[in-house]
Amino acid sequence: EPEVTQTPSHQVTQMGQEVILRCVPISNHLYFYWYRQILGQKVEFLVSFYNNEISEKSEIFDDQFSVERPDGSNFTLKIRSTKLEDSAMYFCAIGQSYEQYFGPGTRLTVT
Amino acid sequence: AQSVTQLDSQVPVFEEAPVELRCNYSSSVSVYLFWYVQYPNQGLQLLLKYLSGSTLVKGINGFEAEFNKSQTSFHLRKPSVHISDTAEYFCAVTGGLGNEKLTFGTGTRLTIIP
Repeated sequence: EPEVTQTPSHQVTQMGQEVILRCVPISNHLYFYWYRQILGQKVEFLVSFYNNEISEKSEIFDDQFSVERPDGSNFTLKIRSTKLEDSAMYFCAIGQSYEQYFGPGTRLTVT
Repeated sequence: AQSVTQLDSQVPVFEEAPVELRCNYSSSVSVYLFWYVQYPNQGLQLLLKYLSGSTLVKGINGFEAEFNKSQTSFHLRKPSVHISDTAEYFCAVTGGLGNEKLTFGTGTRLTIIP
């Protein structure tokens, strides 16, 4: 099973601040995803990334969000100006052979 | 578009008893189906998957699931549960082209009673 790490494990930020969440797949992959899980709710798709481009995004993924793979290994999710409702667990996933493997998540708390 | 329904939000089961967690899906195209488990304060771990072939699939920790196309279901079963199975279980579906987004159900919290 592919291994995925995420940093930080917990991020506390003030409303309006920018945050960058990082995902580090241990080996080379082509498909990357971000999902989020608001406390007590189901896991929701944010964006998928293939061949260094966004392949699909949800309506949650508005102009405040961006993704990139700056150095060919890290995969980042940036939230430009955080809102209270962005507080959630954010999961990175990698795709391999039609399966998706999730990282441990970053808990984002916006105060 | 796909959707997933997990009707049971909570399922309490006595230790060593069997359990079935229900999952129904809706899709206009062929699908791949998955079950993920989330232990307290942890990420999502792939339990098992159905891509094609045999409709009965076996996963980790003694779990299995059966794909039923006519009933659009993918129920998860285990013949004898343990305390360590206490977790949240999510059913998920993706389109048959593969590598598409996962659409999750709302989850079922399995609580094992000693």
